[in-house]
Amino acid sequence: GGIITQTPKFLIGQEGQKLTLKCQQNFNHDTMYWYRQDSGKGLRLIYYSITENDLQKGDLSEGYDASREKKSSFSLTVTSAQKNEMAVFLCASSIWVAEQFFGPGTRLTVL
Amino acid sequence: GQQVKQSSPSLTVQEGGISILNCDYENDMFDYFAWYKKYPDNSPTLLISVRSNVDKREDGRLTVFLNKSGKHFSLHITASQPEDTAVYLCAAGREQGTGSKLSFGKGAKLTVSP
Repeated sequence: GGIITQTPKFLIGQEGQKLTLKCQQNFNHDTMYWYRQDSGKGLRLIYYSITENDLQKGDLSEGYDASREKKSSFSLTVTSAQKNEMAVFLCASSIWVAEQFFGPGTRLTVL
Repeated sequence: GQQVKQSSPSLTVQEGGISILNCDYENDMFDYFAWYKKYPDNSPTLLISVRSNVDKREDGRLTVFLNKSGKHFSLHITASQPEDTAVYLCAAGREQGTGSKLSFGKGAKLTVSP
């Protein structure tokens, strides 16, 4: 078995701040994903990466950057946090289009 | 636009009954279809998946039906139990070609009442 870890678990930021979320997986999966989860809107794909140093935009990439530093890690940056923003960011990994394993999430609050 | 749609955001079923969750998709190139289950404050986990070469897949109390011509798939849960109460997310994607992303529906909350 494997595990996906996300840090931090809770992130509180200020309006306009650049914030970075990190994700690590030890499944040895090629593909990693970042989703944003909002109530009533399901999961929306921000960025994904099919291999180390690859980056593909999802449906919600504006306002975010991402980096696949190595096969096991994928980070997401909120380039300018929006006031009163609250969301859960989920990282996932998979082998191609198959079962995606999700991390526990990072809960973002912007004051 | 949204590629995968769950038109009913909630469903309530009596314990022991059949729960039916539905999903429609736009892209007729999709060939992989899945249902994920999500408890409150937990992350989604895969329940069951099916590829486009079959119309039906059973796993215990779960059955996925795939209607390719109608671009529709559904999840049937027989003998529904209170612990089945959760949000169910459908997802679809394309195994062939470049990229390997899934499109998720918005989710449907199933409540199984004792």
